[in-house]
Parts: sequence; structure tokens; C-alpha cells
Amino acid sequence: GAVVSQHPSRVICKSGTSVKIECRSLDFQATTMFWYRQFPKQSLMLMATSNEGSKATYEQGVEKDKFLINHASLTLSTLTVTSAHPEDSSFYICSAIDAQKPNYGYTFGSGTRLTVV
Amino acid sequence: GENVEQHPSTLSVQEGDSAVIKCTYSDSASNYFPWYKQELGKGPQLIIDIRSNVGEKKDQRIAVTLNKTAKHFSLHITETQPEDSAVYFCAASTGTASKLTFGTGTRLQVTL
Repeated sequence: GAVVSQHPSRVICKSGTSVKIECRSLDFQATTMFWYRQFPKQSLMLMATSNEGSKATYEQGVEKDKFLINHASLTLSTLTVTSAHPEDSSFYICSAIDAQKPNYGYTFGSGTRLTVV
Repeated sequence: GENVEQHPSTLSVQEGDSAVIKCTYSDSASNYFPWYKQELGKGPQLIIDIRSNVGEKKDQRIAVTLNKTAKHFSLHITETQPEDSAVYFCAASTGTASKLTFGTGTRLQVTL
């Protein structure tokens, strides 16, 4: 079945530094990528949606200059958390779909646990 | 925008019993309703989904029902096993290329 590989699974960074999270679709074309953030014991909250080759669309309240999303190819999307602060510590999850194969549904990555110290 | 409510927030059942989780949605344009199981520290895993042209779908011990008129859908797990213990999320979207809106989650605990 469809697989999205997300890396790293865990990362600890110092406050003020930037962290990049990668999601790769291994056996399908990720025409659209969704990025979610999940705080402990809470639900998944959509941060942004990106279509390959286009600028990402951010949800209300999500700072586009802080959470940089790149989706330059059909198999790779990245989320960069810039100038990270402790309040950015969270579980980040990507989800990809192939618009050419809607019956495949949404394929989720395994998540990245970000801890900012 | 879409709003999805999910109940209960926690559910404890004995092994072998059934578990039911219910969700309601607000956007009548929603037509795709997946259910996900999430284990600690992992991404969500699709367990079953249903589209608006179907009222019920079953896959072994798991079933989902959809009532479009009432805008609610439910997950039914029969003969629960300890490995069913996890957090379950319902979600809704207006199509499989549209963003998913998640419910608040149900922590299911299956006790021996």
C-alpha cells in the first residue's frame, strides 16, 4: 500500500534554532500534502495544505513565516520550524494524497516528536 | 468550516465486549468519513472509512454506520481485544482531496 516516510522521528533542538522535517511518498505521487500538529492528549490540528509546485495554504492562526513548507516535488515535502521556541514542542504529522488516485485516501507519516529546550 | 464532535472521550470495556464511538459533523457537504487508530508516539492508522453513498460498512470486527440526515456516524468494534487499546479519531472531509477535520479522539482501554 501507499507509504509516507517521515523523518526524523524525534528531534531535540535549542531555542532559537531551526528544524526541518521531511515527508517522502515512497510509492505514489503526493500531489497534496497536509501538515498537522498534535499536542499531548489532543486531536490533530491542520496547520497547512500544500500542492506540489504551489505555495502552501495556512490555517488561521498559523504563522507562515515560522512554519515554512516546501513541496517542490511530487514525492517530497518539508516543514521547517524556524526560530523554534519551547511552545513549538509538539508532535508533527504529515499526510499525503494522490489526486489521481482518490480511492487511496490519506496516507499519514509516522510523526515527528519535536522538543525545544 | 467543518466541526466534528466525538464521544465519549474515554471508554473502558472488558475484553470480548463491544465498543461504540460516536461522531457528529456539521457540514452537509462532507462525504468521506474515515476512522483512525493512533498508538502512542505514532501516526494515525486508517482502520475503516465510509463514503456518503453508503450507510454501513463492515470489516471483520469493525463496522461503521453513517446517518446523513442526522449527520452522525459511529464506529463499532466487536469482540474487543487488549490490542484494540489506543486512541481512536473520527474525521470528515468534503472529498478525498480535501482537508480532513478530526474529532477530539476517544481513548479506548480494553481490560482483561
